[in-house]
Amino acid sequence: KQEVTQIPAALSVPEGENLVLNCSFTDSAIYNLQWFRQDPGKGLTSLLLIQSSQREQTSGRLNASLDKSSGRSTLYIAASQPGDSATYLCAVSFSQAGTALIFGKGTTLSVSS
Amino acid sequence: GAGVSQSPSNKVTEKGKDVELRCDPISGHTALYWYRQRLGQGLEFLIYFQGNSAPDKSGLPSDRFSAERTGESVSTLTIQRTQQEDSAVYLCASSLGPLTDTQYFGPGTRLTVL
Repeated sequence: KQEVTQIPAALSVPEGENLVLNCSFTDSAIYNLQWFRQDPGKGLTSLLLIQSSQREQTSGRLNASLDKSSGRSTLYIAASQPGDSATYLCAVSFSQAGTALIFGKGTTLSVSS
Repeated sequence: GAGVSQSPSNKVTEKGKDVELRCDPISGHTALYWYRQRLGQGLEFLIYFQGNSAPDKSGLPSDRFSAERTGESVSTLTIQRTQQEDSAVYLCASSLGPLTDTQYFGPGTRLTVL
């Protein structure tokens, strides 16, 4: 069974700190991996999509890496801001799971000013 | 441009009633997905539509759940004889194409079954 795990479940940091969120998955046969942001009471916002052939993607202060062989991805947030406070979700499209995106339970980030 | 929209934003119903949830995908997106997020749980895939192909219904939890999509536009998710365990946020997403494309999510419908 394909699973996605995110550690830690919650993280609190002071403004300006660089941080790393972790995602692990159980099967290296994937189409892609996506990182999303979820704000309370709102839908998901796609942050970065990494195709299986890629090793990393960058957008502004965000950098996501992918290591299929070890079943890991990291989301690096540079110079964190209070506006970064949200739940960050990792989702994997496994080749053997048909069309479903399998989601982790998320890391809830709180950045204090 | 307009994103994915869903209606209603909130729905409270009594156990045993039927409910219908609506999703309007981004125009031109051929793929449409339904997920649900129960309190304290991760998102669960429910159903996937791609163009005129037969939908992937592998995530539907029971035969009380069904969904339809008209061409490459609106989709409705119907839950018959609702149960309390159906209470969740139901999220719809669309993507330009299947599998390898970014999925864009709507704001969700919060369903509460009393």
